[in-house]
Amino acid sequence: QSVLTQPPSVSGAPGQRVTISCTGSSSNIGAGYDVHWYQQLPGTAPKLLIYGNSNRPSGVPDRFSGSKSGTSASLAITGLQAEDEADYYCQSYDSSLSGGCWVFGGGTKLTVL
Amino acid sequence: EVQLVESGGGLVQPGGSLRLSCAASGFTFSSYEMNWVRQAPGKGLEWVSYISSSGSTIYYADSVKGRFTISRDNAKNSLYLQMNSLRAEDTAVYYCARAQPYSSSWYFDYWGQGTLVTVSS
Repeated sequence: QSVLTQPPSVSGAPGQRVTISCTGSSSNIGAGYDVHWYQQLPGTAPKLLIYGNSNRPSGVPDRFSGSKSGTSASLAITGLQAEDEADYYCQSYDSSLSGGCWVFGGGTKLTVL
Repeated sequence: EVQLVESGGGLVQPGGSLRLSCAASGFTFSSYEMNWVRQAPGKGLEWVSYISSSGSTIYYADSVKGRFTISRDNAKNSLYLQMNSLRAEDTAVYYCARAQPYSSSWYFDYWGQGTLVTVSS
């Protein structure tokens, strides 16, 4: 299983708000390492969505926001649109694994109803 | 425009070898740390390996340590992954990804389109 824990799936109707959680531990998120989020549309490569817990790269709509607290982080998507249907992954750094490595959550499939 | 284009994937028998390449363009390749990240069919993302901008610092995931070797040629703007002793569980799409340092960690700001490696007899 993944070092970071995400719910396998979430869903929401168009226009609604959904959140995706990412739970880590004292060796990764809880140690102060930042959390980053990626969106992977079907059949495509991952795309950076949020970096440094809450920052959006240029071009990412402000409907997407991120936060971090303690050993967890969250991605919120407001005003859901059909094009948001994708897999979402959180990523951080872990200092306990063989001297350190980059870790991902297992991914969350967002379904827009 | 930043572009990362992987190549070299294919079908290989268990125990075999394969060398992946990633051609970079649109940025000063020699200034950036690079990584390989893989995704098994229907599964999530797994970080595989990291190399510093100069190539002097390298890290591997435990799952590939001793079998995979990452390298780069800054003169050719290229990243490589030599994969030996391949196993069925190495079957995945392999992405090269540019690393961007941020505070105490890194994120991957650009990804290639991926190249599929299938290990099967």
